[in-house]
Amino acid sequence: EADIYQTPRYLVIGTGKKITLECSQTMGHDKMYWYQQDPGMELHLIHYSYGVNSTEKGDLSSESTVSRIRTEHFPLTLESARPSHTSQYLCASRESDTEAFFGQGTRLTVV
Amino acid sequence: AQTVTQSQPEMSVQEAETVTLSCTYDTSESDYYLFWYKQPPSRQMILVIRQEAYKQQNATENRFSVNFQKAAKSFSLKISDSQLGDAAMYFCAYEWGAQKLVFGQGTRLTINP
Repeated sequence: EADIYQTPRYLVIGTGKKITLECSQTMGHDKMYWYQQDPGMELHLIHYSYGVNSTEKGDLSSESTVSRIRTEHFPLTLESARPSHTSQYLCASRESDTEAFFGQGTRLTVV
Repeated sequence: AQTVTQSQPEMSVQEAETVTLSCTYDTSESDYYLFWYKQPPSRQMILVIRQEAYKQQNATENRFSVNFQKAAKSFSLKISDSQLGDAAMYFCAYEWGAQKLVFGQGTRLTINP
């Protein structure tokens, strides 16, 4: 069982609301990632981090932002949620060259 | 940019049979890592197998093995003696230089009893 946790697991929220998806890992991994995945579809990298105070945008343009103030914590924030943001968001962490450990995901629905 | 392509959106196999999932990738690097991940329905993504590009020997994990063809930039996954629990989405992934981990489009594998 991987020590990486995402909260909430499910979220339904109204358009225009600000939301933060939480991701925490207790393995001391430097690298953390956020992926967006529609059900049964491919993963799109939206943000990643190599360590504290290091964040980069991924391949998929996203209106979200991230922060990495502590090694174990990598929250993702949407300032103004829209229906197009409805998706599943997966967080992962890893050490270099090793396997990535994934959280259980947050399924977001914006109405 | 590095890309990963899985050309089989769906595959099915009879229980106890063998199935091969395809993956190709595009890179100009010589040293990198390749992975196969499994995502069961409504469950967490987990690693199936990994391959270092500098190793010529194909990786094997129990019933799972890969056919790594570096010159052809091909990295297929073979599942032997398929079991019902193998049903899942399978993703091929690439990583170079300890940087971002890039995934393919995924292949949905169905096991027929």
